[in-house]
This record gives sequence, C-alpha cells and structure tokens, in this order.
Amino acid sequence: ETGVTQTPRHLVMGMTNKKSLKCEQHLGHNAMYWYKQSAKKPLELMFVYNFKEQTENNSVPSRFSPECPNSSHLFLHLHTLQPEDSALYLCASSQEVAEVGEQYFGPGTRLTVT
Amino acid sequence: GQNIDQPTEMTATEGAIVQINCTYQTSGFNGLFWYQQHAGEAPTFLSYNVLDGLEEKGRFSSFLSRSKGYSYLLLKELQMKDSASYLCAVRDRDYKLSFGAGTTVTVRA
Repeated sequence: ETGVTQTPRHLVMGMTNKKSLKCEQHLGHNAMYWYKQSAKKPLELMFVYNFKEQTENNSVPSRFSPECPNSSHLFLHLHTLQPEDSALYLCASSQEVAEVGEQYFGPGTRLTVT
Repeated sequence: GQNIDQPTEMTATEGAIVQINCTYQTSGFNGLFWYQQHAGEAPTFLSYNVLDGLEEKGRFSSFLSRSKGYSYLLLKELQMKDSASYLCAVRDRDYKLSFGAGTTVTVRA
C-alpha cells in the first residue's frame, strides 16, 4: 500500500466510448503525475500537476484530457481512443515537483481499447 | 530526450547476488532512482543516489558514477520474492523522471 489509489483497476472500452480514470493520494503531496506503461517499454510521462496547476503535457494526444480539482485527486478523461492506447496507466504523487523526494505510485489501471 | 539503458532480463539462484546495470544520458542530472515493480502492482521506491558512491540499504545497494553516466543495483541473498521488474529512473534538470524499460529478474530455487 503506497498511499496512492487508482480506480478502476481494469477497464475495457470501445473506440467510441468516453471513460475516466481516477487517482487519489492520501500522502499530503502537492504534485501528481500520469504515466503510460506499455509492455516492454519505459514508463512514459504524460502529465504533471504541481499545486493543481498543469506544468507538463508531454505531447499527449488530445483524446487524453487530465483534470486536477485539488491536490489529492487526479483524473484522466478518455474519449475516442485507439487500440494502441491499450496500456497500464499509472498515477504517482510527490511532495512537489522540484523536490528531492521520490514519487509514490498507484497500482495502475489496465486499459484495453477494443 | 533522455536515453536510459538496462538489461531486459536476468536470472539468478536463490541466495545468490545479482547486479543490474543502468547507463544514462540526460539533459542535466538531479538524481537516480531504482524502483521495484511486481507484476500487476505499483512500482515501489528502492533507492536514490545523487552523489557518487554506494548507498546500502539492507540486502539492496545502489551505486552511482555521474562522470560515467552509470549506476547499478545490487541484490544480495536473493529470495524468491525478489522476482520482479527493476526500473532505473533519472531525474533531469527540470525534475522530470525518465525511466528505463526495466529489468525482469527471475529467482530460481
């Protein structure tokens, strides 16, 4: 248990569906992150929020839309995804972006796009 | 962009020692992390190096040479539960983490 929870743990969606991934951290952190993990590939940073402000969008397609209503919650809204978007989506948090400490990861949402 | 290389797979026997190497090229350097990830679970933090040298934490140690762009994670007295993927990650001058593809370690009885 890392103090970061993600729901749902598994999600299957069609290319025309709209769904959302949720992340919540109970660590009092101020920075939150979305990563994509595909098989045999490095974790790819997607978005960074620091004190609820988006500070990084790593050239992510607009079919992925993040939302950070407060420092404890992070969402990833999905619409008109492609099969190649199937992957494990990991949320992480840290004290803040420019800080020495490590990032704490959630267990991820396994997404399958059919 | 960043370039982080680590071996894809390693196999070792229970009780043995395994060393996982990581080489990197990054724009600036603000520390190197090692994470452990069991299948279907969250990556969990193992170690952090920002200065050259060896950091020891129980059965796990991590070494860093900034001039060589090189680190290793040493796992001693291997146990079956150490079978997992080990991720090397480097933080750059903008405090962004870039990860290697991970090394899958299989511990055999």
